[in-house]
Amino acid sequence: GAGVSQSPSNKVTEKGKDVELRCDPISGHTALYWYRQRLGQGLEFLIYFQGNSAPDKSGLPSDRFSAERTGESVSTLTIQRTQQEDSAVYLCASSFLTGANVLTFGAGSRLTVL
Amino acid sequence: RKEVEQDPGPFNVPEGATVAFNCTYSNSASQSFFWYRQDCRKEPKLLMSVYSSGNEDGRFTAQLNRASQYISLLIRDSKLSDSATYLCVVSPSTGGSYIPTFGRGTSLIVHP
Repeated sequence: GAGVSQSPSNKVTEKGKDVELRCDPISGHTALYWYRQRLGQGLEFLIYFQGNSAPDKSGLPSDRFSAERTGESVSTLTIQRTQQEDSAVYLCASSFLTGANVLTFGAGSRLTVL
Repeated sequence: RKEVEQDPGPFNVPEGATVAFNCTYSNSASQSFFWYRQDCRKEPKLLMSVYSSGNEDGRFTAQLNRASQYISLLIRDSKLSDSATYLCVVSPSTGGSYIPTFGRGTSLIVHP
């Protein structure tokens, strides 16, 4: 597609429920990133995928968080047993893997845990 | 010390003013540097890359000082539409992790 597409744009869920967030990167972009941004805060790195290499999961805050990516296409971020502190905007970005490494972001998925 | 540090502001300036932001980074091996702009409740978007020799794009000038490990952004003749949060981004050297680190951002408010 022309840009990075994320769904849902907004999700309200109850504490303890599982949620799944989807990211469709720009075609041809081999690298895909998930970041989290809490209200009024900066971007917090979660996970990075590059082609068929093992993902860098070093930013995932707990084992309730997991993500998958099939090849160089769609990625899914799953949060199990959601907690109120998971409320944030989850941003996905993709890029060509070059030294310049310019990221293009999707519009984000705003998650609210009640 | 945080990897990328910025003054959160807000910088409150009148239209037409010149304003400058600095950003410091801790990883001396960093190779790529960028400024992104984030409007309220929107995603970050690339404003400009920062090159070693410095670079200019219209009213915006970016500079890199490797010795002191900081980058700067200068905005001349500020417009109301420049009001946003400006994010400093640093990427490590090639061959290692390609994970860009974002600063928390500097808020700019341009008023009439």
